[in-house]
Amino acid sequence: NAGVMQNPRHLVRRRGQEARLRCSPMKGHSHVYWYRQLPEEGLKFMVYLQKENIIDESGMPKERFSAEFPKEGPSILRIQQVVRGDSAAYFCASSPNSQYINPEAFFGQGTRLTVV
Amino acid sequence: KNEVEQSPQNLTAQEGEFITINCSYSVGISALHWLQQHPGGGIVSLFMLSSGKKKHGRLIATINIQEKHSSLHITASHPRDSAVYICAVRSGEYGNKLVFGAGTILRVKS
Repeated sequence: NAGVMQNPRHLVRRRGQEARLRCSPMKGHSHVYWYRQLPEEGLKFMVYLQKENIIDESGMPKERFSAEFPKEGPSILRIQQVVRGDSAAYFCASSPNSQYINPEAFFGQGTRLTVV
Repeated sequence: KNEVEQSPQNLTAQEGEFITINCSYSVGISALHWLQQHPGGGIVSLFMLSSGKKKHGRLIATINIQEKHSSLHITASHPRDSAVYICAVRSGEYGNKLVFGAGTILRVKS
């Protein structure tokens, strides 16, 4: 039973390029959360998705960032026209049911994005 | 003031010592998580608590809901325990999202 799988583990992009980060939740999990960890800072919530539905995107920057969780396939966090300040570790977590029922959150290994 | 405060920020211990990391929060919560992050590594959920105490191996987590405080204890610490330990809370006050402390950097020397 594989855990939460994120890929790539490391991603290097030049300024202005697009970054696509993928997260495959644990089997049977239909809820996905994305978090960002900036260098020397704590984790911050970005977005909460269920399949085909964005539940809460209050932590997403207003521009260039988007997320989806299609009916089939992994959840994707997309960053357009990356800037150096986007360099961070991006973590995904999944849970089997609504976060409102205190689910255990299972985290992936993270994607470390470096913008050069 | 951060919603979730951890102390200490940094902790160095000798192998075998008993370690305590503290977490305080300011609102009513539905759950509190203790997480472990190794350098360059992923995040592992150690405990989820809503009351009382949980134990797993050498790790013990306690929570006092009235005092809005939780502690993570490590008995007989070992260099492999060196990591960042993160407290996170879930509350309706925060829209039921996890809100994280800044983390405690633990280094256990042999």
